[in-house]
Amino acid sequence: QGRLQQWGAGLLRPSETLSLNCAVYGGSFGGYYWSWVRQSPGKGLEWIGEVDHGGRTNYDPSLKSRLTVSIDTTKNHFFLKLDSVTAADTGVYYCAARSGIHYCFDFWGQGTQVTVSS
Amino acid sequence: QSVLTQPPSVSGAPGQRVTISCTGSGSNFATGYDVHWYRHIPGTAPKLLIFGNTNRPSGVPDRFSGSRSGTLASLTITGLQPEDESDYYCQSFDTSLGGSVFGSGTKVTVL
Repeated sequence: QGRLQQWGAGLLRPSETLSLNCAVYGGSFGGYYWSWVRQSPGKGLEWIGEVDHGGRTNYDPSLKSRLTVSIDTTKNHFFLKLDSVTAADTGVYYCAARSGIHYCFDFWGQGTQVTVSS
Repeated sequence: QSVLTQPPSVSGAPGQRVTISCTGSGSNFATGYDVHWYRHIPGTAPKLLIFGNTNRPSGVPDRFSGSRSGTLASLTITGLQPEDESDYYCQSFDTSLGGSVFGSGTKVTVL
């Protein structure tokens, strides 16, 4: 099983762009959908979007207009960009590996607290 | 609003059995996608407990078990221990969304 390590800016002002990175160590890069999940304060887990090793993406429809998930297979990294953030985008963001076979999230990053505040 | 419905909370004394339900709909469970369960302490990485409705990953204690019938799935903790106090989430794939969906989450309290 692999391991994920994530990083990115944790404090943003409204209208800025949220950018997070996730590095993949171990595991089969082609066997997963590389995903982002968040948890807003007081709420549950929310799937945001994902990318496969070929660059094909799936996004939550409510975020699709602001969201870009991409991948760099040469570096085993994948990325999240969320434009025009508001306070509603505050939360803990996790990168995760969704199995292409069982459709479950096999392993996760440690999480990044993102706060949007003026 | 979560697509998968869970009770907000369940509780039990040490050693007891508790069951968490997860109710889906026609665009997820009924289309044949499996249900998976996670334990989550906010601010830390969620942990996969059950995959494919009933299977435990290596290292997960056998006091955790999963079941599913139609659009209803359940996670049962047998022999509840103090360290089981946590939030628990079900998850599946939804064809209407075109992506993964999580349950609303259940807080387990050990009395």
